[in-house]
Amino acid sequence: ETGVTQTPRHLVMGMTNKKSLKCEQHLGHNAMYWYKQSAKKPLELMFVYSLEERVENNSVPSRFSPECPNSSHLFLHLHTLQPEDSALYLCASSQVLQDPREQYFGPGTRLTVT
Amino acid sequence: AQKVTQAQTEISVVEKEDVTLDCVYETRDTTYYLFWYKQPPSGELVFLIRRNSFDEQNEISGRYSWNFQKSTSSFNFTITASQVVDSAVYFCALSGWSNYQLIWGAGTKLIIKP
Repeated sequence: ETGVTQTPRHLVMGMTNKKSLKCEQHLGHNAMYWYKQSAKKPLELMFVYSLEERVENNSVPSRFSPECPNSSHLFLHLHTLQPEDSALYLCASSQVLQDPREQYFGPGTRLTVT
Repeated sequence: AQKVTQAQTEISVVEKEDVTLDCVYETRDTTYYLFWYKQPPSGELVFLIRRNSFDEQNEISGRYSWNFQKSTSSFNFTITASQVVDSAVYFCALSGWSNYQLIWGAGTKLIIKP
């Protein structure tokens, strides 16, 4: 595997379900990110982990719970979601505070909440 | 405050035409980074280029070229002899020297008609 991978690619869940999204990066980066991309809205940064510590949490509802067990893996645990949470969830990784700084993205998980 | 403006919501051209995507940014940082990403219909955001604020040299990569002008706070992207495969949403982004976050533009949807 190369780059950033995400599983599953598609997920349909009911409002009472609990599911998790997984992200893995094979680039040796030290920071990982979760983004939400809804139709006709800008990219929204949800969480940032640097060296496995959460450094950003942009007022995300508690029904989204991130976990970063090591620098290569990132999870987003989902529970009791709302229909407006349906979106494309993108994971990214990068080096922080040193060049190169660009973020590399996974293919995304398209989530539908019914 | 930092801000990125992509005023063109959607551009439609016929194949082989040249097209320029505009990006205007605002920042008070003296050192910053600018990025362009491509998002094809598959959804994955693909990194195209990073430019440091102290390097105003324009860059060309095949049919792609970027024009960075600090005097007008712009970082425009030109595709020469466009192809159908260039159809995608293109995002411009900005980050400061010590910032984890990328400030994203709203994106420009580029449609290349055969």
